[in-house]
Amino acid sequence: QKEVEQNSGPLSVPEGAIASLNCTYSDRGSQSFFWYRQYSGKSPELIMSIYSNGDKEDGRFTAQLNKASQYVSLLIRDSQPSDSATYLCAVNPSGGSYIPTFGRGTSLIVHP
Amino acid sequence: DAGVTQSPTHLIKTRGQQVTLRCSPKSGHDTVSWYQQALGQGPQFIFQYYEEEERQRGNFPDRFSGHQFPNYSSELNVNALLLGDSALYLCASSIPGLTNEQFFGPGTRLTVL
Repeated sequence: QKEVEQNSGPLSVPEGAIASLNCTYSDRGSQSFFWYRQYSGKSPELIMSIYSNGDKEDGRFTAQLNKASQYVSLLIRDSQPSDSATYLCAVNPSGGSYIPTFGRGTSLIVHP
Repeated sequence: DAGVTQSPTHLIKTRGQQVTLRCSPKSGHDTVSWYQQALGQGPQFIFQYYEEEERQRGNFPDRFSGHQFPNYSSELNVNALLLGDSALYLCASSIPGLTNEQFFGPGTRLTVL
């Protein structure tokens, strides 16, 4: 069973701080990694994709991938109350499957 | 550029009934995947359709079936509904390949009474 683990939270940070969300995965051969944001009652929205070791930045978001340690993280700089949502980590397994495995998500609360 | 659309938005059924949910993929996408998301959980994969055939299936019973049409739109059918089928049903479209980014529709909230 290929697993993706996330701390369910909630992670509470003050407005303007950096929020750090973490995800570990069990399939060492995984090649594609995704972060989705899901507001309460809404569907997941893709916000970041990362495929190579290192950092990838997009605006206030930075995804970090470390394949040797099998973890992927998402940093949100200058957190805003509008960032309050559940963040889902998704990992494409090895073996040619096109189906990502999702974690349970981490709830982020940004308080003013 | 039209995104993924789903219908209906909400649905209430009773145990034992049957339901059909519909999805139209994002423009240019040919692959549709269906997911079930229970409260507080991540999406669970039901099945994926490509070229009008079921390409891969998750751990769901045969009560869950689907179809893909020549225009790439798709249906999810659930027979003999159980209370535990109450969930948010998500459709995602993609173009299989190295990236395989999946884009979700707004979902259908199914309540089984």
